[in-house]
Amino acid sequence: EADIYQTPRYLVIGTGKKITLECSQTMGHDKMYWYQQDPGMELHLIHYSYGVNSTEKGDLSSESTVSRIRTEHFPLTLESARPSHTSQYLCASRGQGAPPGELFFGEGSRLTVL
Amino acid sequence: AQSVSQHNHHVILSEAASLELGCNYSYGGTVNLFWYVQYPGQHLQLLLKYFSGDPLVKGIKGFEAEFIKSKFSFNLRKPSVQWSDTAEYFCAVARQSGGSYIPTFGRGTSLIVHP
Repeated sequence: EADIYQTPRYLVIGTGKKITLECSQTMGHDKMYWYQQDPGMELHLIHYSYGVNSTEKGDLSSESTVSRIRTEHFPLTLESARPSHTSQYLCASRGQGAPPGELFFGEGSRLTVL
Repeated sequence: AQSVSQHNHHVILSEAASLELGCNYSYGGTVNLFWYVQYPGQHLQLLLKYFSGDPLVKGIKGFEAEFIKSKFSFNLRKPSVQWSDTAEYFCAVARQSGGSYIPTFGRGTSLIVHP
């Protein structure tokens, strides 16, 4: 059973606030990903990491940033939240040797910016 | 860039009806194919996958999918759905060699099964 945790699950904040969405996995996976999910739309990749100190931007342009200081931790930060950032954010991971595309997902963080 | 198309965005069925959800992709190279499912209030989880070999793959809970290379398709099927199959279903495609190994997801299909 995969163990990947996201906090907070739900967050409602005002415009201009700085927020960090946390993602941790206990499986020792080297690859981690952040996807943005809106109702009826594709999951869009916004950031990924292939290991400690490695981060890349995904297909969807995002104003968020990520860091990967420890293998198990991959937080996503919005320096100044806006209503356009309202969405669900999904964190995922893949272990070394696992086939491309076989991901384990967290339960998501649903962000609402007022 | 590769894209993944799921043609049915909303499907409503009665229990015991048969299900087929379409998925087509645009990438012409070797691919890994996946179906993920998201039950209400739960995380996305793998339903089934295809890498090579028999193009008809079986997954959990009686689901199966058929890879038809000539049609760039990977349709999901279940002969008889249950109320508990109500969920969102996502098709995903990942390149198997070279370039990025990141999967691309379709828009998802919302399935509602009436008891």
